[in-house]
Amino acid sequence: DIQMTQSPSTLSASVGDRVTITCRASQSISSWLAWYQQKPGKAPELLIYMASTLESGVPSRFSGSGSGTEFTLTISSLQPHDFATYYCQQYLSFSPITFGQGTRLEIK
Amino acid sequence: QVQLQESGPGLVQPSETLSLTCSVSGASISSHYWSWIRQPAGKGLEWIGRIFTIGSTKYNPSLKSRVTMSVETSKNQFSLKVSSVTAADTAVYFCARVGSTVGAAYFDLWGQGILVSVSS
Repeated sequence: DIQMTQSPSTLSASVGDRVTITCRASQSISSWLAWYQQKPGKAPELLIYMASTLESGVPSRFSGSGSGTEFTLTISSLQPHDFATYYCQQYLSFSPITFGQGTRLEIK
Repeated sequence: QVQLQESGPGLVQPSETLSLTCSVSGASISSHYWSWIRQPAGKGLEWIGRIFTIGSTKYNPSLKSRVTMSVETSKNQFSLKVSSVTAADTAVYFCARVGSTVGAAYFDLWGQGILVSVSS
């Protein structure tokens, strides 16, 4: 299985901050990477796919970059409703699809 | 507006079979791949498997021996069965739609999730 490792596990930040979350794959996954936001008690929501393509309706303050084994999700200016847990997911193949362990973004 | 809704028992006895259904509204189930994903309380996400309407399935090897997915196109639903469950199968189970871009295996639409507890 391809292991996905996110860092940090927890990130404290303030409204208006620029934050970056990193996701590393145990082997090259080209650009087959997605990012999700999950709020407590809710299903995850797709933010970005193909490493850097913004899903329709997602604010432009979210951006993704990277390829191969290292990827980043950046939020350019944190808004109050951005405090949530973020997951990366690789889809190089369905054998199997794997997620990172999550990064909890909390208010400082 | 496309919506997914999970349904099924919230409590399953150990060693029994967990059975869930995902009802799709606002779109034909024949037009996408569909998946099940689960999340134990306070933990991360685990992909269970995916299905297409022609019966094409792919399961997570860690669960493959216990998982069966099926589609009922007449009802616009797909289903999940996990046999021989233990407490480790206690989780929120999500159904999700696989994205439609070339090579897609990300999930662009999710159900709200259903908590299934395994306990006697």
